[in-house]
Amino acid sequence: DTEVTQTPKHLVMGMTNKKSLKCEQHMGHRAMYWYKQKAKKPPELMFVYSYEKLSINESVPSRFSPECPNSSLLNLHLHALQPEDSALYLCASSQERAAGGYTFGSGTRLTVV
Amino acid sequence: AQKITQTQPGMFVQEKEAVTLDCTYDTSDPSYGLFWYKQPSSGEMIFLIYQGSYDQQNATEGRYSLNFQKARKSANLVISASQLGDSAMYFCAMREPRGTGTASKLTFGTGTRLQVTL
Repeated sequence: DTEVTQTPKHLVMGMTNKKSLKCEQHMGHRAMYWYKQKAKKPPELMFVYSYEKLSINESVPSRFSPECPNSSLLNLHLHALQPEDSALYLCASSQERAAGGYTFGSGTRLTVV
Repeated sequence: AQKITQTQPGMFVQEKEAVTLDCTYDTSDPSYGLFWYKQPSSGEMIFLIYQGSYDQQNATEGRYSLNFQKARKSANLVISASQLGDSAMYFCAMREPRGTGTASKLTFGTGTRLQVTL
């Protein structure tokens, strides 16, 4: 299995809703990443988990809450989002020091209404 | 400060021709990695090619090759024999070690939109 699976593919949520994005990989990668990509812009790093511990938080607002319950799963919990948070959210994973590169999921297109 | 620069917002190429997408980078770390990704309109990021800072030879993967000029800090992507399916956004990205453990940060350039025409 050489894939990163993200669910759901599309999500529409209100500003008072709570929702979660899920990311799963079974490649034995020990680093997992969340990226946010606005339209016509490059992906921007949000969080990095290494061996299930949060390693990098790029000053992301607390309405985004990451969780890594085990080495294969990465969640992003969303609460009280704003319309400007609408974007494509990409998950990625990599081997140690990313020697083998990064594998990206196909993303979740989030719309906040 | 921007660390990855792609100066071509858009490029056109005729089918079966070769095209070069430019990328320059800036880092003070001697150990880094350079990647090229393709992103079709569907959104997924597709890995194309990788060049490590200590690699002596330019990377090649099928129709993709990376013209790595370390002294000039450039890592241009060459696509040979373009196909209609190559139409997409192309991102150059650099990996730098950061954080604890095995974590690393992948930083993207602004991208180049390639259109392949008949």
